[in-house]
Parts: sequence; structure tokens; C-alpha cells
Amino acid sequence: KAGVTQTPRYLIKTRGQQVTLSCSPISGHRSVSWYQQTPGQGLQFLFEYFSETQRNKGNFPGRFSGRQFSNSRSEMNVSTLELGDSALYLCASSVAGRTDTQYFGPGTRLTVL
Amino acid sequence: GESVGLHLPTLSVQEGDNSIINCAYSNSASDYFIWYKQESGKGPQFIIDIRSNMDKRQGQRVTVLLNKTVKHLSLQIAATQPGDSAVYFCAERQEGQAGTALIFGKGTTLSVSS
Repeated sequence: KAGVTQTPRYLIKTRGQQVTLSCSPISGHRSVSWYQQTPGQGLQFLFEYFSETQRNKGNFPGRFSGRQFSNSRSEMNVSTLELGDSALYLCASSVAGRTDTQYFGPGTRLTVL
Repeated sequence: GESVGLHLPTLSVQEGDNSIINCAYSNSASDYFIWYKQESGKGPQFIIDIRSNMDKRQGQRVTVLLNKTVKHLSLQIAATQPGDSAVYFCAERQEGQAGTALIFGKGTTLSVSS
């Protein structure tokens, strides 16, 4: 079974731009969570989607948003990029989210110049 | 702030030694803990998990111990190999109103020399 895939793997943007990242979960998984990883803050939870609905949200500004499609694929969007948004953005999928193991993708490395 | 943390940022061992990576958590109501391994350029990889109704769980070459009295979690790796070199994170499951989030510690970098 194929793992979690994320596209693109690397991205360079400038301040003020917006960016959309994509995540395809493991087949049969309906929950998708997003995390931001930086050297200073470590791994931080952004949000979780299940059946096209956001079920849980971390402590990030409204510039960070996401959505999930009927096929469980998910996208996250960051608007008005800031230098501090440079990070590895990780997507994780699980069967239903609440009690299941989350499996991570390789991440998208975003650099904001 | 984070509710899960690790005692040491780095750990260096010799090939064949046993490794012990520690983690302290602060939320006594947490009922599920996971250890992940992250190699350079990759996403975190699930190693082993444990629920709060257990104090020990064993996998292949790995053992997780949970001490709820002192809110401490540890990962033991037997006969450590160079391929075990990576950053290890413990994570605590946090329940939101309807969903779930994993709260991660800062991580311990394990270096295995041969």
C-alpha cells in the first residue's frame, strides 16, 4: 500500500505571497492532520480534517487554512507569507483519527525569502 | 507551551549497545503515547505506541516503558545499529472537542558509531 504523499517536496516563495501544499493520504484513511516542523519550535499541530470537515485546530493564525476533498486528499494554504513560515510542513493520515496511529508523509520544505 | 519534552537533546552510543531515550510529559490525563523516528529528509516514522493502561510494551528490538506516577516515558533500543541513527520524538495524544492532535517533544538525536 502506498504511503502518504506530499507535493511539492520543495518550494521557495517570497514574503507576501501565498502557497498551497497538497497531501494524499494512505488509501482508506479518512483523517488528515497537518504539522509544522521548525528547529526552534519542533513539531506543532496545525489542524485535522475528517470527512471534509475540520475537527481540530492548533494555535496558528488565520493565515493558515486547509481543506479536505471527498477523496480524503487535503490541501493547506498559507497566505501573506512571512519569513517565520519557513518550515517543513508534514501531513499525517490515519483511518479515522481519534484512536488510530498517524502515518506521516515526507513533508514539503517551504522556504520564504 | 508543550506538554511533552525530552531529557537530552543528543545521545551517542556504540554499535551493539542498548540505547535509552527518555521523555517527560506533563498532562496526567493523557492516555496514549507514541514514539516516532525521523531520519534526515524524511517524515516521522511510527515505531511503537503505548496506552495508559499498560506500563510496558515490546516490539522488535524496541521497548517502551510508561511510568504514570512520575509521568515519564522511555524508549529502549536493543543492540543499537548505525541505521538507528535519527531523531526520536515522543508524542502525546491530545483530544480536542471532536478531533485529535499529537503533541510532540523536542526530540533526541541518536548517533550510533561503529
